[in-house]
Amino acid sequence: QVHLVQSGAEAKKPGASVKVSCKVPGYMFSNYGFHWVRLAPGQRLEWMGWINAANGKTLYAQKFQGRVSITRDISAGTAYMELRSLRYEDTALYYCAKWGQQEEAFDDWGQGTLVTVSS
Amino acid sequence: DIVMTQSPLSLPVTPGEPASISCRSSQSLLHSNGYKYVDWYLQKPGKSPQLVIYLGSNRASGVPDRFSGSGSGTDFTLKITRVEAEDVGVYYCMQALEAPFTFGGGTKVEIK
Repeated sequence: QVHLVQSGAEAKKPGASVKVSCKVPGYMFSNYGFHWVRLAPGQRLEWMGWINAANGKTLYAQKFQGRVSITRDISAGTAYMELRSLRYEDTALYYCAKWGQQEEAFDDWGQGTLVTVSS
Repeated sequence: DIVMTQSPLSLPVTPGEPASISCRSSQSLLHSNGYKYVDWYLQKPGKSPQLVIYLGSNRASGVPDRFSGSGSGTDFTLKITRVEAEDVGVYYCMQALEAPFTFGGGTKVEIK
């Protein structure tokens, strides 16, 4: 199992934006879908959306529509998640996860990126 | 959105004893292809979640056979026949039938 490698922790003020990267070492990047899931303090895991790396098509959770963008750079083998208009309640660990085609589940995860929103 | 309800919230277990976690979905997770789109993940302390069971009853690669998953369209169970110290952490069920994918609230398994 090859773990996805995410960018480092971020500290942001309310209203700012954050962009988290997720590098995929060794895979045929374009063969997979990549999802973003977050875990806020005291909350359950929350799915945010995903991108089909082959064609760039995305689907977002209604809750984040208009505030989130998931993109990818095939040449860099990297997926990105940008969250805008940050609020205090966006403070969370953000994970990227690879969708396993056989398992139809998340078969590999990044190490997580802590995003802290504070004034 | 499909609501996933897990129980118990906390599960203290004695090593070598069995453990069972329940997960109920607000609608059937049985797809027309015959598969049940429920997965189980374990988040060990300080680690990322890892896949334990997929499509209701299939162990992920490298998962010991003491783990098993079962269930009907809306009621699912994760069982550990003999808990070991390395099994501690928070277990989550997740439905992957339709977007948005949704998770249960988690069950914290700890050693007595």
